[in-house]
Amino acid sequence: AQSVTQPDIHITVSEGASLELRCNYSYGATPYLFWYVQSPGQGLQLLLKYFSGDTLVQGIKGFEAEFKRSQSSFNLRKPSVHWSDAAEYFCAVGATNAGKSTFGDGTTLTVKP
Amino acid sequence: KAGVTQTPRYLIKTRGQQVTLSCSPISGHRSVSWYQQTPGQGLQFLFEYFSETQRNKGNFPGRFSGRQFSNSRSEMNVSTLELGDSALYLCASSTAGFSNYGYTFGSGTRLTVV
Repeated sequence: AQSVTQPDIHITVSEGASLELRCNYSYGATPYLFWYVQSPGQGLQLLLKYFSGDTLVQGIKGFEAEFKRSQSSFNLRKPSVHWSDAAEYFCAVGATNAGKSTFGDGTTLTVKP
Repeated sequence: KAGVTQTPRYLIKTRGQQVTLSCSPISGHRSVSWYQQTPGQGLQFLFEYFSETQRNKGNFPGRFSGRQFSNSRSEMNVSTLELGDSALYLCASSTAGFSNYGYTFGSGTRLTVV
């Protein structure tokens, strides 16, 4: 069974500082991995996705993520955080042949001025 | 192009009642999935529909049901509402029928059961 772990429930960073959100997954085959962001009271927005190929993927809003098979990780990074990045971030792994993704519990990002 | 539209945005229902939520996917998306989001359980998969057929189902009781119409619009129904059904219900559509390509989510329906 597939699973996703986001070890950090809450992270606080200063505006302009770099950010890394951790994600570990468990999946029996080549994973399809995603990062989503959710603002309060809203749905989730897809930031980026990894299917295969280059292990460093670029997404929207200046985010990137690196797939490391040996560590079963897919960490999200951003070189310089903006106040508008404050939100909840979800890592997810997708099934290979069906419309179901498994989501982590999320990491809430607070940005200090 | 229009995003995923969920209606209504907010609902307040009494325990024991039933409720129907609606979702219109992005034009051309044939897969619609439903998730329940609560502070305690996070995002939990309810079911997925593709071309009017339920293709996957999560671990929810039979009180939770859904359907998809020929225009890909989907509805989910919860009968005999319980207090624990209070949640944000999210609909997500996907191109090519698989979540592998990533979802586009609606803004959700906030259901409160009193």
